[in-house]
Formats: sequence, C-alpha cells, structure tokens
Amino acid sequence: QKEVEQNSGPLSVPEGAIASLNCTYSDRGSQSFFWYRQYSGKSPELIMSIYSNGDKEDGRFTAQLNKASQYVSLLIRDSQPSDSATYLCAVNWDAGNNRKLIWGLGTSLAVNP
Amino acid sequence: NAGVMQNPRHLVRRRGQEARLRCSPMKGHSHVYWYRQLPEEGLKFMVYLQKENIIDESGMPKERFSAEFPKEGPSILRIQQVVRGDSAAYFCASSPPGQGGVYGNTIYFGEGSWLTVV
Repeated sequence: QKEVEQNSGPLSVPEGAIASLNCTYSDRGSQSFFWYRQYSGKSPELIMSIYSNGDKEDGRFTAQLNKASQYVSLLIRDSQPSDSATYLCAVNWDAGNNRKLIWGLGTSLAVNP
Repeated sequence: NAGVMQNPRHLVRRRGQEARLRCSPMKGHSHVYWYRQLPEEGLKFMVYLQKENIIDESGMPKERFSAEFPKEGPSILRIQQVVRGDSAAYFCASSPPGQGGVYGNTIYFGEGSWLTVV
C-alpha cells in the first residue's frame, strides 16, 4: 500500500516567520513530488513540483527532497496571513500507463498577523 | 479561460435523484481525474480517464457511480440514486499527454462542483 503522510496540524507561525511543512512517503520507487495549496472552499492549486534530490526554490517557497529518507518538505519564507491554507503533498510513481497521484491528507497552516 | 472547467459549480439534488457533473479539461490535455472531498476530509481519488478509456477506477464506489470521457465532449461523473453521504465537493483535474515517468504528472484542478443532497 503506497502511502503519503503529513502532520494534520494546525501549524501556527507568526507573520514573517518560516513555515516548514513535511511529508513522508512509503514507496521508494516514487519519482515525482508535488505541493498544492488549498484554501477553504476552493480547489487545490499547484505550488511546486520537484523531481531530484536537493532544494528547488521559487520565490518564497522552497521544496526539499530527500529520496534516501523518503521525505519531501516545503518551506515558506516570510510567511503572510494569505498563506494560511491547507498544504497537500502528492507523490507519483511511474507504473506503466497509470499516472495516479497518491495524496497526503494535508497540513493546515495558520499564519498569525 | 483555458483552465479546467467544471459545471455545475453547485448542485442540489433530492435523495434518489441523479447527479451529473461535467468537466472539460485544459486545452491540449487528454487525461482527466476525478476526486471527491468530503467536508473536513482529505482529497480522495476516484477515477482516471483518457479519451474513451478508463485507466484506473480503483477509487470509485462499486455502485451508483460511473464516469466517462467520450471522444467528443466533456468528461461526465454520474451519480445515480444519490444519498446524503454523497454530499461533497467533486474536483476534476487534467494533465497533458506525454508526461509521466521521472518528470511525473502535473495535474491542474478545476474549481470544483459542490453537490448537496437533501
């Protein structure tokens, strides 16, 4: 059973701080990893994808992947109240023609002004 | 709007009626995914389709639910004889052809269809 796990939170950080969101996955064969943000009552929106070990930066967001330890994290620098949302981690492994993503349940982030 | 289009955005059905949810993928996308999200719960995969083919329906309930993605027209998620427990947000997502493998499968979501069964 392939699984993706996230702490449900809520993770509470003050405005301007760094928020660190973590995700672990069970399948060593996983090849690509995604972070989505979902505001309450809205659909998930893609923040970042990462495929190789190491860091990938995009503005205030940095994704970190460690395949040996089977975790992927998302750092949000200079957190803003508008970052308050649920962050979903999704993992893909290539199983032939099946592109189904495995999703974590999400971590709720609250950024306090 | 070149995004994933879902309609209706909100749908109210009485118990026992049928619900049909439609999804038009992003332009150029040939893969469609349906997800369900119950209130205060996570995103649950239902079905993955390509044009005229169901690739993976492992998340679909065995009864009352069906999905199709015809050669022409939108993908349809059909729920027959709805019950209160079907009340949820139903999200459609799409991805382009040619992805997969090490570069994964970036999917883009529509705005969702909220089904309320009364």
